Amino acid sequence: KAGVTQTPRYLIKTRGQQVTLSCSPISGHRSVSWYQQTPGQGLQFLFEYFSETQRNKGNFPGRFSGRQFSNSRSEMNVSTLELGDSALYLCASRSDRVDNEQFFGPGTRLTVL
Amino acid sequence: GENVEQHPSTLSVQEGDSAVIKCTYSDSASNYFPWYKQELGKGPQLIIDIRSNVGEKKDQRIAVTLNKTAKHFSLHITETQPEDSAVYFCAASLPWGNEKLTFGTGTRLTIIP
Repeated sequence: KAGVTQTPRYLIKTRGQQVTLSCSPISGHRSVSWYQQTPGQGLQFLFEYFSETQRNKGNFPGRFSGRQFSNSRSEMNVSTLELGDSALYLCASRSDRVDNEQFFGPGTRLTVL
Repeated sequence: GENVEQHPSTLSVQEGDSAVIKCTYSDSASNYFPWYKQELGKGPQLIIDIRSNVGEKKDQRIAVTLNKTAKHFSLHITETQPEDSAVYFCAASLPWGNEKLTFGTGTRLTIIP
């Protein structure tokens, strides 16, 4: 079974621009969560989508948004990029079972110049 | 909200010796505690997990223990090998419907040949 895939793997943007990252979950998984990983703040939860609906949201500004499509693929968007948005953005998918297991993709490394 | 503390931040052990990483959590409602291993340039990989109705779980050289009363859980790696060198993260999650993971700050484990 293929794992979680994320595209692109690397991205360089400048301040003020916006960016869209994509995540394809494991086949059959309907839940997709996004996390931001930085050296200073560690791994922080951004939001979770389940069946095209945002179910949980972390403490990030409104510049961070996401959506999920009917095939469970998810995108996250960051508008008006700031230098502090430079991070590894990780996507995790979870099955419908009440098992909580979340499987992560390789991440997208975003650098904001 | 949930807060997870992890110690130590770095750990070096001789190959063949055991390694122990400890975490504490704050929210007694948390019921799922996974451990992830992250190698350079990769996303976190789930290596073992434990639920609040179990006190200990073992998978070959890896074991996790949970003390609900004290709200702490630990990862034990026995007979360490060079390929165990990585950053390890503990996490905690609430029950179904709010499964966002709250991560510890990570432990960089180095196995000395």
